[in-house]
Amino acid sequence: AQTVTQSQPEMSVQEAETVTLSCTYDTSESDYYLFWYKQPPSRQMILVIRQEAYKQQNATENRFSVNFQKAAKSFSLKISDSQLGDAAMYFCLSQGGSEKLVFGKGTKLTVNP
Amino acid sequence: DTGVSQDPRHKITKRGQNVTFRCDPISEHNRLYWYRQTLGQGPEFLTYFQNEAQLEKSRLLSDRFSAERPKGSFSTLEIQRTEQGDSAMYLCASSHGETQYFGPGTRLLVL
Repeated sequence: AQTVTQSQPEMSVQEAETVTLSCTYDTSESDYYLFWYKQPPSRQMILVIRQEAYKQQNATENRFSVNFQKAAKSFSLKISDSQLGDAAMYFCLSQGGSEKLVFGKGTKLTVNP
Repeated sequence: DTGVSQDPRHKITKRGQNVTFRCDPISEHNRLYWYRQTLGQGPEFLTYFQNEAQLEKSRLLSDRFSAERPKGSFSTLEIQRTEQGDSAMYLCASSHGETQYFGPGTRLLVL
């Protein structure tokens, strides 16, 4: 069975600093996708970044980047120059073949001014 | 461009009643997903449609749950004989490829 583990239930960062959220996954699929989603309080899930497993290059979207270590099945999210608006729950999603979709339990990120 | 919409946004019902939720995906998205999210947890996959065909169902989807997407556009999720354990946020998402776009969810409270 696919599993996704986010080992940090909560993280905090100072505004303008950098923070890294961890995610490890386990899948038997050879072709899969990994995503980070953000869920602000009482608001809907928003895509942050995606990574295709067949791509070696780490995905980057502005201040957000990933460190994808396929052999270690690790997919961490780095947020640079943290902003108050980054405060949210962050969920890691593994999407394998036949639409096997598994979310992690989430990491609550607090950004301190 | 409108995003994924869900109706109602909130629903309070008594145990034993039936409830139905609606999801309108982004137009031209052929894939539609339903999830359940309880407080402090990540979304749990319930079911998935490609066009009108229901291709995948989670073991979480008991026989009290049924989902339809009759014309390959909007979808409904019905819960029969609701139980207090059904209280959760029900999320819908749609996609054209692998990236899903989520709706605001329907929060269900079963008393």
